[in-house]
Amino acid sequence: AQKVTQAQTEISVVEKEDVTLDCVYETRDTTYYLFWYKQPPSGELVFLIRRNSFDEQNEISGRYSWNFQKSTSSFNFTITASQVVDSAVYFCALRMDSSYKLIFGSGTRLLVRP
Amino acid sequence: DAMVIQNPRYQVTQFGKPVTLSCSQTLNHNVMYWYQQKSSQAPKLLFHYYDKDFNNEADTPDNFQSRRPNTSFCFLDIRSPGLGDAAMYLCATSRAPRDSNQPQHFGDGTRLSIL
Repeated sequence: AQKVTQAQTEISVVEKEDVTLDCVYETRDTTYYLFWYKQPPSGELVFLIRRNSFDEQNEISGRYSWNFQKSTSSFNFTITASQVVDSAVYFCALRMDSSYKLIFGSGTRLLVRP
Repeated sequence: DAMVIQNPRYQVTQFGKPVTLSCSQTLNHNVMYWYQQKSSQAPKLLFHYYDKDFNNEADTPDNFQSRRPNTSFCFLDIRSPGLGDAAMYLCATSRAPRDSNQPQHFGDGTRLSIL
């Protein structure tokens, strides 16, 4: 069975702190795709990053970075120097090859305080 | 800008009164999805269309129907809304399965309230 676990329900940090959001996934498929989405209070889901199962290269985009480790089935997301505008719910999601369905984790609510 | 547009942003209906939510896209994507998201929960897939081919999730209630008259538009019909159907409804699009590493692009959602 496929599953995504985001154990951190809510995280609160002070602005400029670094914060890491954890994501652990389960699948027996060899080809799959991992995603992170941001959902601000306004409600829309904003795509942040995609990672293929055969590409373990970590990625940095501005203040955002992602650490994909197949050995631990984890795809963690780090925000460096957090800002108030980063406050949102962040979802990690998994999709199998040739499947349409996104399997979401339960989300982590991030609150960045001024 | 190419995007996924949902109307209305907020919808209020009465218990048992049919309601239709709409979604349009300018991305020309083959696949369109409808998700239900209740408060503090992850989005839950209701169904999706691959072109005109309709695919229902096994646990989607019969109360929920969908129509896709053309590539650009997709509708969610709730035939007899109950209080438990109050939620945010999200529409998304993506390219076809051979591009399954492509992300789904979401609209802003319609927040449905039931009186």
